[in-house]
Amino acid sequence: DVKVTQSSRYLVKRTGEKVFLECVQDMDHENMFWYRQDPGLGLRLIYFSYDVKMKEKGDIPEGYSVSREKKERFSLILESASTNQTSMYLCASSLIGDGGTQYFGPGTRLLVL
Amino acid sequence: GIQVEQSPPDLILQEGANSTLRCNFSDSVNNLQWFHQNPWGQLINLFYIPSGTKQNGRLSATTVATERYSLLYISSSQTTDSGVYFCADNFGNEKLTFGTGTRLTIIP
Repeated sequence: DVKVTQSSRYLVKRTGEKVFLECVQDMDHENMFWYRQDPGLGLRLIYFSYDVKMKEKGDIPEGYSVSREKKERFSLILESASTNQTSMYLCASSLIGDGGTQYFGPGTRLLVL
Repeated sequence: GIQVEQSPPDLILQEGANSTLRCNFSDSVNNLQWFHQNPWGQLINLFYIPSGTKQNGRLSATTVATERYSLLYISSSQTTDSGVYFCADNFGNEKLTFGTGTRLTIIP
């Protein structure tokens, strides 16, 4: 079974804080993704990575950065959290050439006060 | 950009009822997938169905690639079926484009 884990289920931070969201997958997948999910807007891709140290911007990268130093771990960084970054954050991974089938972690609900 | 439309946006049913969810694409279907997001937020893969029909217990899915749509059927609904159902396709690359989802509520 593919397992994708995220470091926190719930997180409360203050405006201006630096926030790290961690995602780990155990299936040796090359691709990893970060999405945010907001009511009425569905899932929107923030960044994805297709290899260690490689990254590509998704649809809404502004205000975020990512890090992939090891194949199994993909971090999302909010350099200076703002209230409009309050959201549900979902991490996913996939195998290249597997038809794009993605496997999701349980999500992190982030509240920025 | 590519549009992925799901209908209906919301559906409320009595336990035991059957339902059909629809997904329409503005471009050719490549690797269509259906997901269920449970009330706790976890997205679970239901089907990988680029074409044809698949069944898994009370759930089945059909994709008609030439007409750019897919259907998800849920029979004899249970309260645990509640949540949001998403379809998605990667349109030939590694990134998925998701529909806006159908929120299903099953009432006991």
